[in-house]
Amino acid sequence: DIVLTQSPGTLSLSPGERATLSCKASQRVSSSFFAWYQQKPGQAPRLLIYGASSRVTGISDRFSGSGSGTDFTLTISRLEPEDFAVYYCQQYATLPDSFGQGTQLEIK
Amino acid sequence: EVHLVQSGAEVKKPGESLKISCKGSGYRFTSYWIGWVRQMPGKGLEWMGIIYPDDSDTTYSPSFQGHVTISADKSISTAYLHWGSLKASDTAMYYCARALSGQRGAFDIWGQGTKVTVSS
Repeated sequence: DIVLTQSPGTLSLSPGERATLSCKASQRVSSSFFAWYQQKPGQAPRLLIYGASSRVTGISDRFSGSGSGTDFTLTISRLEPEDFAVYYCQQYATLPDSFGQGTQLEIK
Repeated sequence: EVHLVQSGAEVKKPGESLKISCKGSGYRFTSYWIGWVRQMPGKGLEWMGIIYPDDSDTTYSPSFQGHVTISADKSISTAYLHWGSLKASDTAMYYCARALSGQRGAFDIWGQGTKVTVSS
């Protein structure tokens, strides 16, 4: 099974700053099959990025995804107050699909 | 508008059975994979398994295989997650979610979640 390890576990930043979230896979993952989600307390997750870099319709262009092989990154430029949440990566290239353990993005 | 609406919260005792549901609307239910995701209290997301409602092709995570059953009734656009014998460790929020395209993949539409509490 592919294990996804996200870092850091918690990221403390201020509004207006840039956030860089990392996800490392235990095996190579085709970038066509990699996604990022945002989850706020009491809500279901929301898909942000699929195919490693394709933004879902309606998602702000402040969110961007990149990466290939075993290393993937979610970047949030110019943090807004509503961006502070937990972020998960997911691979759906190899069954069973898997999620990372999450990165908590908190206000500094 | 595309929606997945899940059944309500459940409180059960260890050893009891349970079936929760996820009803799709606003799209062709048979053309999209539906997955189930567990989130234990204060924890992350766990991929449980996925079903293609048109032919009920199903794949499970080894972590859940044998403990839950995923099924679908395409005539009523509903997917199900079933436990034959619940454990206290099944206490969690369970989400159903639709894969983005006609292929197994990222989940673009999520249900609101069903909270399952198992306690004696």
